[in-house]
Amino acid sequence: GNSVTQMEGPVTLSEEAFLTINCTYTATGYPSLFWYVQYPGEGLQLLLKATKADDKGSNKGFEATYRKETTSFHLEKGSVQVSDSAVYFCALSGNAGGTSYGKLTFGQGTILTVHP
Amino acid sequence: DVKVTQSSRYLVKRTGEKVFLECVQDMDHENMFWYRQDPGLGLRLIYFSYDVKMKEKGDIPEGYSVSREKKERFSLILESASTNQTSMYLCASRNDRGDNQPQHFGDGTRLSIL
Repeated sequence: GNSVTQMEGPVTLSEEAFLTINCTYTATGYPSLFWYVQYPGEGLQLLLKATKADDKGSNKGFEATYRKETTSFHLEKGSVQVSDSAVYFCALSGNAGGTSYGKLTFGQGTILTVHP
Repeated sequence: DVKVTQSSRYLVKRTGEKVFLECVQDMDHENMFWYRQDPGLGLRLIYFSYDVKMKEKGDIPEGYSVSREKKERFSLILESASTNQTSMYLCASRNDRGDNQPQHFGDGTRLSIL
């Protein structure tokens, strides 16, 4: 079955530091890949997505590239802000040969804390 | 913007009670989902519905049931609440036009079973 593995957290950075959160996946076929963000006390919001190999998703300064050869979708940001403090989830959707109805398989989440 | 509304942000119930969690979406989405979120475990799918009156079990359906009588509303039911069902519950919806369509989430219901 499908699975998603995220880097262990929590991650603590100073403002303006470079961020990488690793995400690798196992899936058959060609899944769509997503990053969601959860701010304190809120539900999940879509941050970015990529739907085929070599696609780059980007939003709010965050980027992630769909790498089929390494089955990875690492999240990066060049300069983090205090307001980026949140939990980040990597997820995939897709089911080779059938209809998945968009069911998502999530990683365990990575807590990011950014200090001034 | 898509709006997914969960009826309660916080709920406290007692062991053995029947508990209803309600979710409403305003975008005419075909698919709706219920997850629970626990620290270190990410989000786990309880049930989903791909259309009105249609439902399928997710990864952890035991102890739960669902109802979808109208397209905009998806209810999660805890038949006889137990303390191990204390958790954050998240509802989501999406349109059914391919795997690249994202899910849209509500703000969650934090449920405590005493």
